Amino acid sequence: DTEVTQTPKHLVMGMTNKKSLKCEQHMGHRAMYWYKQKAKKPPELMFVYSYEKLSINESVPSRFSPECPNSSLLNLHLHALQPEDSALYLCASSHSPGGGSPYEQYFGPGTRLTVT
Amino acid sequence: GENVEQHPSTLSVQEGDSAVIKCTYSDSASNYFPWYKQELGKGPQLIIDIRSNVGEKKDQRIAVTLNKTAKHFSLHITETQPEDSAVYFCAASSLSGGYNKLIFGAGTRLAVHP
Repeated sequence: DTEVTQTPKHLVMGMTNKKSLKCEQHMGHRAMYWYKQKAKKPPELMFVYSYEKLSINESVPSRFSPECPNSSLLNLHLHALQPEDSALYLCASSHSPGGGSPYEQYFGPGTRLTVT
Repeated sequence: GENVEQHPSTLSVQEGDSAVIKCTYSDSASNYFPWYKQELGKGPQLIIDIRSNVGEKKDQRIAVTLNKTAKHFSLHITETQPEDSAVYFCAASSLSGGYNKLIFGAGTRLAVHP
């Protein structure tokens, strides 16, 4: 099973709202990723967690706050977003070395976010 | 840092024809090259990958070739079907610190006409 699940599928929020995106995998992967994808563009890496520790923050604005509560869950907390933050937000996961093939990265279906 | 270029940006073929998408990368340290298929409204799906110690890999109608000297790799789809219509992304990466940072190409929109 190579399934990564994301909730919600769609989210509309105002610029003053606080919301969270959730991602879950049960493949025993210890690396988890958040990507942002604008229309007709490739996914753009935002954050990487390895063994529940933040390993990469690609200079993402602080209005995006990631959290990895345990090895299966990844959250993205959103606050005071701008309309230009509207995009598809993708979660992905992969094994870490020693836990299986660390190369293959599997994506969830994404959350379509609209900021009004 | 790594840079991946992908061509063509759009590709239109007749059902049953072959389709070829090409990518070049810049970082000689990259050693893993996956291909993803993304259908409308869905997340990218890993369809095939190749590691730097292999020159070619095939899975049914899909094959990938890698030329490490020239730093380019290609996706070949034979006997295309309408359900192959999607956006295809190539990527390059190398492992670092327990994770795999993928650098994507810009994507190729493939249309297969019945």
